[in-house]
Amino acid sequence: GDSVTQMEGPVTLSEEAFLTINCTYTATGYPSLFWYVQYPGEGLQLLLKATKADDKGSNKGFEATYRKETTSFHLEKGSVQVSDSAVYFCALSDQRNNDMRFGAGTRLTVKP
Amino acid sequence: NAGVTQTPKFQVLKTGQSMTLQCAQDMNHEYMSWYRQDPGMGLRLIHYSVGAGITDQGEVPNGYNVSRSTTEDFPLRLLSAAPSQTSVYFCASSYFHEQYFGPGTRLTVT
Repeated sequence: GDSVTQMEGPVTLSEEAFLTINCTYTATGYPSLFWYVQYPGEGLQLLLKATKADDKGSNKGFEATYRKETTSFHLEKGSVQVSDSAVYFCALSDQRNNDMRFGAGTRLTVKP
Repeated sequence: NAGVTQTPKFQVLKTGQSMTLQCAQDMNHEYMSWYRQDPGMGLRLIHYSVGAGITDQGEVPNGYNVSRSTTEDFPLRLLSAAPSQTSVYFCASSYFHEQYFGPGTRLTVT
């Protein structure tokens, strides 16, 4: 079945460092791809999404590009802030239904 | 708009007890789902519903029941709690593949 594999954490960076969190997927159809963020004690919030190959999702300085040839959707940010400390989840959703598969999550800690 | 609400926020049960986790949404979304979140395993789908009166099993349905009598409400029932059901439970509603999550219920079964 469809699945998502993402880089294991935890990841610790200094403020203003460059962030990459790797995500690859396996899918039989044409999935939509998502990054969700979970701040401590809260539910998941949608960070960005891409619905077809070569689409780039972006929000709050984060970007990810849907790469069909490498089945990847890596999350990047040029300069992280302390407030970006959270757990990040990569996910896919088959466009034929609403079922969503999540990666295991990557905990990011940004130190001042 | 309250979005997706869940009650209670925390619950402790003894093995064998039953309880219902409540979930409600005010966005008129047809699709709703329940997930459990365990360390290192991401979120796993328990049950989902594509509309009132229609429910189906997800990845890990054993030990849980759901019903969907209205568009707004989607309660999750634990029939006989087991320590393996200790987890954080999230309810979500969905519009065009974009999921909106509730704040979660942290359940401990002793």
